[in-house]
Amino acid sequence: GAVVSQHPSRVICKSGTSVKIECRSLDFQATTMFWYRQFPKQSLMLMATSNEGSKATYEQGVEKDKFLINHASLTLSTLTVTSAHPEDSSFYICSANTGGRETQYFGPGTRLLVL
Amino acid sequence: DAKTTQPPSMDCAEGRAANLPCNHSTISGNEYVYWYRQIHSQGPQYIIHGLKNNETNEMASLIITEDRKSSTLILPHATLRDTAVYYCIVRGKNSGNTPLVFGKGTRLSVIA
Repeated sequence: GAVVSQHPSRVICKSGTSVKIECRSLDFQATTMFWYRQFPKQSLMLMATSNEGSKATYEQGVEKDKFLINHASLTLSTLTVTSAHPEDSSFYICSANTGGRETQYFGPGTRLLVL
Repeated sequence: DAKTTQPPSMDCAEGRAANLPCNHSTISGNEYVYWYRQIHSQGPQYIIHGLKNNETNEMASLIITEDRKSSTLILPHATLRDTAVYYCIVRGKNSGNTPLVFGKGTRLSVIA
């Protein structure tokens, strides 16, 4: 199957700092990428849809000014958690498809811990 | 997309077949059944999908009932590494630009 990578795999930061997470499609071009968040013992919750060359679409309750998404190329989307707080500590997962594919592939996830 | 219902948890002995059920009684004619799994602290992994015919790949088999209102994912010889949460998701054809919506899934524990 297609490969999606994320970097970093885990990050620890101080409260108030910003953290950038990268999501890359390694062997295909992704016109659309998705960002999910997962808290312990819960399922994945969609945060936003990232479209190459246009603004991201955010789910209800997700602050667009806090979770900045940039999809500048067909293989890279970034999620920046601005002014991170301990409640932002979570497992962040991206996924991608090409638009023509029926199957969505997921990255390995990034575990964020805000102290 | 149609809603799915899965048991919250199941156990399976190592080496035996794991049969994971999923109900999707409101599925429409152009919707596929997808299965993903998530091993602890990893991203979801695609397993298999189907429309109406049974499907098999190197990971699993998918059996869809004739009325398409339910399906079963079969792991023929479960190993300890198959311990994970398994998600059954119904999704329309040509939905490449729409996200997958995850329910609570079934937590499969493979026991030695």
